[in-house]
Amino acid sequence: DAGVIQSPRHEVTEMGQEVTLRCKPISGHNSLFWYRQTMMRGLELLIYFNNNVPIDDSGMPEDRFSAKMPNASFSTLKIQPSEPRDSAVYFCASTSYNEQFFGPGTRLTVL
Amino acid sequence: TQLLEQSPQFLSIQEGENLTVYCNSSSVFSSLQWYRQEPGEGPVLLVTVVTGGEVKKLKRLTFQFGDARKDSSLHITAAQPGDTGLYLCADYMDSSYKLIFGSGTRLLVRP
Repeated sequence: DAGVIQSPRHEVTEMGQEVTLRCKPISGHNSLFWYRQTMMRGLELLIYFNNNVPIDDSGMPEDRFSAKMPNASFSTLKIQPSEPRDSAVYFCASTSYNEQFFGPGTRLTVL
Repeated sequence: TQLLEQSPQFLSIQEGENLTVYCNSSSVFSSLQWYRQEPGEGPVLLVTVVTGGEVKKLKRLTFQFGDARKDSSLHITAAQPGDTGLYLCADYMDSSYKLIFGSGTRLLVRP
C-alpha cells in the first residue's frame, strides 16, 4: 500500500488566491482527518470525516476554509481567499482502528 | 480542555548518549500514544499505552506510563542520528475520535 497520498507537497501562492490541497486515504480506512501544523500552535485538528461525512469541523479556523470528501478515496481542503497566516504544513490522516496514518503533508506558503 | 505538556522542548545530544523525554496531561489519559515525526514527513505511531504503570519496549526505546495515567516518559538508549525528529505524545480526548497532541520534543542526535 502506498500510504496516505497528499498533493501538492509544496505550494507557494499569493495572498487572496484560492488554494486546494488534496488527499487520498489508505484504501479501506473509513475515517479521514485534516490537520494543520505550525511552530506556534503545533498539530491542530481541522476537520474529521467518517464514511465520507463531515462529523466535526469545529477546528476549521473560519469560513475561508472548506473541506469535502466526495468519495472514500479522495478529499480536498480549500482555502479561499488565502492569507499569510494560513502558512503552515497541512496533513491528512486516515485511521485503522486506533492508529492514525499520516500523509507526508503539504507545506503551504502564502506571500 | 485537556492539555498535554512535553519537556524538554529541544534536546541536542551526541550519538551514543541516553535521553528521556516527558509528557504530562492535565487530566487522565484515555489512551496515550507516542509518535515520531521526521523532517519533511508526517507523524508515525510508535506505541500505544493504556494501562497505568505499563512499560513497553521498542528496540532502544522504552515507554513508561505513570500509575495515575497522567504522565508518560520515553527513554532512548544509545541514541543514533536516525532517532532525530519531533517526538509527540497524543491522547484521544474523552475516548473519542479526537486526537490531542502535545507540542513535542525536538531531538537532534549529532554523529
